[in-house]
Amino acid sequence: DTAVSQTPKYLVTQMGNDKSIKCEQNLGHDTMYWYKQDSKKFLKIMFSYNNKELIINETVPNRFSPKSPDKAHLNLHINSLELGDSAVYFCASSQDLDKQFFGPGTRLTVL
Amino acid sequence: EDQVTQSPEALRLQEGESSSLNCSYTVSGLRGLFWYRQDPGKGPEFLFTLYSAGEEKEKERLKATLTKKESFLHITAPKPEDSATYLCAVNTGGFKTIFGAGTRLFVKA
Repeated sequence: DTAVSQTPKYLVTQMGNDKSIKCEQNLGHDTMYWYKQDSKKFLKIMFSYNNKELIINETVPNRFSPKSPDKAHLNLHINSLELGDSAVYFCASSQDLDKQFFGPGTRLTVL
Repeated sequence: EDQVTQSPEALRLQEGESSSLNCSYTVSGLRGLFWYRQDPGKGPEFLFTLYSAGEEKEKERLKATLTKKESFLHITAPKPEDSATYLCAVNTGGFKTIFGAGTRLFVKA
């Protein structure tokens, strides 16, 4: 059974488009995250949700909007995509501040 | 500003050649230090959590240690399958975890 799943795995789109990435965890965790990993492999936190409430928003442009319909899901919607948004986006979950379980990543390419 | 620095950026070892990876941190308060392994094209996979100076954790050929300013990941007699990027991360008490840039380890048979 997959613990943290993301869809899609690859996303290729044109500048200016709007796209969404979905994330689901079946671990029963109460905290979920979105991370961005750039071309240098540096992993940087974007958002953190605890019990469906936004806890952390790390100076991410307003074009990025997370949505948590329930504790098991955290989706990421991106408006007006820019070239600099190209990266791998990882979803993760944890129980409180414990170790995190990561999804397989979504590679976003903006042309 | 909270910061996590890993060294070296890359490390090439022969099979069986033991070595250590370093993670130094400057944070306002340490809630936990984590080590993850990341294989190409995959998400990071949890290895260890360390909470206080002097603590050590072991798993197969890996051993993680923690002092007040840094952590080491010791790799004893590595095998080619240990090749991966090793990430260090620090939690300072909130729901924010700061990751280092990672050390890419290559182990040659």
